Amino acid sequence: GENVGLHLPTLSVQEGDNSIINCAYSNSASDYFIWYKQESGKGPQFIIDIRSNMDKRQGQRVTVLLNKTVKHLSLQIAATQPGDSAVYFCAETGFQKLVFGTGTRLLVSP
Amino acid sequence: DAGVIQSPRHEVTEMGQEVTLRCKPISGHDYLFWYRQTMMRGLELLIYFNNNVPIDDSGMPEDRFSAKMPNASFSTLKIQPSEPRDSAVYFCASSILRYMGEQYFGPGTRLTVT
Repeated sequence: GENVGLHLPTLSVQEGDNSIINCAYSNSASDYFIWYKQESGKGPQFIIDIRSNMDKRQGQRVTVLLNKTVKHLSLQIAATQPGDSAVYFCAETGFQKLVFGTGTRLLVSP
Repeated sequence: DAGVIQSPRHEVTEMGQEVTLRCKPISGHDYLFWYRQTMMRGLELLIYFNNNVPIDDSGMPEDRFSAKMPNASFSTLKIQPSEPRDSAVYFCASSILRYMGEQYFGPGTRLTVT
């Protein structure tokens, strides 16, 4: 898929490290947030979500943190693997519409 | 389930021609979404349907774009006439009513208009 923007931030990590991908969202009325992963040539894939009444949610190797005060969302990936290399998008929804951020490219080197 | 199915996977056409993109959502999903992804604008929502009814088409760029969902298992996105600036990857996604944000995306159609 076309996921390389002119200003797409990139995070480079070593295999086994923990990765933290950050996202600033825009709508203070958004009540639901999602992280998606997009591998080259594929559509985005749902990773994890969190509602605005929570500040942390954990999945398998992933944790999402939500700070509503500063409108900030982060995705933490534990023990990053080469298969985690992709573009990661945060998305917010407050009025039945999903709005995607510009994305962050994660590069994992062995 | 095979997931969301889109066709064609690649489409190359000349400016002025009509283009039709097709989508089969996951069976049982109530929502269907059409997105466009470009280098410059990222992932943009064009239109979405709930139970086959268009709910929000505010993202459709121009009257040249139209979308239909004649039944729960099929949707089309049509561009007529196509222009080079329409070149992008078009994604279809579907979700169930309760988890509208957890959308399942198809593999996309890469459209090139020359």
